[in-house]
Amino acid sequence: DSGVTQTPKHLITATGQRVTLRCSPRSGDLSVYWYQQSLDQGLQFLIQYYNGEERAKGNILERFSAQQFPDLHSELNLSSLELGDSALYFCASSVGGDNSPLHFGNGTRLTVT
Amino acid sequence: AQSVAQPEDQVNVAEGNPLTVKCTYSVSGNPYLFWYVQYPNRGLQFLLKYITGDNLVKGSYGFEAEFNKSQTSFHLKKPSALVSDSALYFCAVRDIQNTDKLIFGTGTRLQVFP
Repeated sequence: DSGVTQTPKHLITATGQRVTLRCSPRSGDLSVYWYQQSLDQGLQFLIQYYNGEERAKGNILERFSAQQFPDLHSELNLSSLELGDSALYFCASSVGGDNSPLHFGNGTRLTVT
Repeated sequence: AQSVAQPEDQVNVAEGNPLTVKCTYSVSGNPYLFWYVQYPNRGLQFLLKYITGDNLVKGSYGFEAEFNKSQTSFHLKKPSALVSDSALYFCAVRDIQNTDKLIFGTGTRLQVFP
């Protein structure tokens, strides 16, 4: 068990809808990262937060947004969903810094129909 | 830009034989390299990392990786494969120029046959 909790595990929704994915990092970890895993794109970095502040943005669409709350949990909001947004969304956390590994949750599988 | 490449989509090996999963890297400056494993319907699990020091890094579940600066490689190895090692393996590099996020390779599926 990595200590990173993601909810829900599965999400099925229709095109055009909006969903929220939730992540609780490991105790003591200040950094939260969001990744998207799809068959054709592999693991793509979306966004990173560190202690409540956005630290880096990757290939995140404008329809997607995220935030990290004072208790350090994070939410990824996906809106105006398209079929191509169907993927596994992973949250990872770390204490921060170059040497620390990322610890991943089990992911949320999003299916857009 | 930092990047890693995994040239093999799949590696097949018989149980008990040694295994190697290949990874090459391209970085500016010192490389910070990682290996992760992903089992079906699970997140990625950290196996090992190279930051500095010995070129042979030992990790979890009997895995090790050899850092080779001249060949810009960081191959994952195990002396004797188990059927339970069958999974998807990812090499990653830390993007120290931009942030501390990890950039992942495309993954290599390891299949160990009994």
